[in-house]
Amino acid sequence: QKEVEQNSGPLSVPEGAIASLNCTYSDRGSQSFFWYRQYSGKSPELIMFIYSNGDKEDGRFTAQLNKASQYVSLLIRDSQPSDSATYLCAVFGPNTGNQFYFGTGTSLTVIP
Amino acid sequence: GAVVSQHPSRVICKSGTSVKIECRSLDFQATTMFWYRQFPKQSLMLMATSNEGSKATYEQGVEKDKFLINHASLTLSTLTVTSAHPEDSSFYICSARSPDRYEQYFGPGTRLTVT
Repeated sequence: QKEVEQNSGPLSVPEGAIASLNCTYSDRGSQSFFWYRQYSGKSPELIMFIYSNGDKEDGRFTAQLNKASQYVSLLIRDSQPSDSATYLCAVFGPNTGNQFYFGTGTSLTVIP
Repeated sequence: GAVVSQHPSRVICKSGTSVKIECRSLDFQATTMFWYRQFPKQSLMLMATSNEGSKATYEQGVEKDKFLINHASLTLSTLTVTSAHPEDSSFYICSARSPDRYEQYFGPGTRLTVT
């Protein structure tokens, strides 16, 4: 079983809709959770991090964490074509040593 | 967010030569830096973790004698691809983490083409 799993997609949503990206992780001791956005040909860019159960909102982005279910999600409201990218989930915790575990990413396309 | 730079952004070299890539944290001290490789349409692959002042820890399958990593200061890590071959052509990305934060910040990446 992989440490971090994401649906590779592609996920397509119309412009203005809510895009929902999901991630599950295997290490119950994981403490920190991150969402990165990676445009084609570019390096990943940190967009959100969350440490506590519940929701964390930043502009059009909301990260949701449920440690009991070992599940973290990213909601993008009012999706724009510029949100089209691959979204990487990453997990960090006491059993991962000094590194992150990244998921393989979900490809999102926002259709104008 | 924190700023990490990489140099060069693109490099083309001949097979058998060596290439050095620099990664710098510009506005924070990075005790830990990471080197990743990414082939087209594939996910990030961690190559090694580098801690300032100590030897890098390489992931399984990554040749430490081919990919030399030096983390000589709190703001600079270098990756040298020695005796490069066409199969080493890839997108190399570094990231850095400050000691008081968990998140990693990525450099813009270096696209290496070996001819």
